Amino acid sequence: AQSVTQLDSQVPVFEEAPVELRCNYSSSVSVYLFWYVQYPNQGLQLLLKYLSGSTLVKGINGFEAEFNKSQTSFHLRKPSVHISDTAEYFCAVSDRQTGANNLFFGTGTRLTVIP
Amino acid sequence: EAQVTQNPRYLITVTGKKLTVTCSQNMNHEYMSWYRQDPGLGLRQIYYSMNVEVTDKGDVPEGYKVSRKEKRNFPLILESPSPNQTSLYFCASSFRIRTEAFFGQGTRLTVV
Repeated sequence: AQSVTQLDSQVPVFEEAPVELRCNYSSSVSVYLFWYVQYPNQGLQLLLKYLSGSTLVKGINGFEAEFNKSQTSFHLRKPSVHISDTAEYFCAVSDRQTGANNLFFGTGTRLTVIP
Repeated sequence: EAQVTQNPRYLITVTGKKLTVTCSQNMNHEYMSWYRQDPGLGLRQIYYSMNVEVTDKGDVPEGYKVSRKEKRNFPLILESPSPNQTSLYFCASSFRIRTEAFFGQGTRLTVV
């Protein structure tokens, strides 16, 4: 089974500062990678996904992530955060056979943007 | 509006009393699944279904049942709930393997 590690459980950052949320996965096979965001009392919303092709993936709300196969990482970045980015962020991985139907999630990173 | 709908949103029940959480999607998706979310553990998959009458276990299936009699519905059944099933539950659906999974709003279940 896949496993996903999000090393930082909480990340506080000042408004308009850059942020990086780290994600590492353990797999020796080809995978699909996802970042989801969860706002309070809501379901999960897809931020971006890597399926194939360019290793730099751009998503919604100004977020981007870079797939690094050699380091098995998929870190999420934003150059300038806003108060509205305060939420919990989940990295997820799936193998190519079951894809989005069978996601393995990390434990989540709570991003708090400080005014 | 395309969505995944779960009911109820909140539920408090007693140990051993059978319950069903419903999930319905209006996007004609083939794939549906159930996850539970617990603090410090992230989301873990309970069961998934790749089509009508096709279901399979996820990572934490013990104590749960599912059925997929029609494409749009994928109910989660707890035959005899126990306190360790207190959790936040999410239903998700997707059209094909390479597409994103759409999540419902969640069902917060408390078993006392």
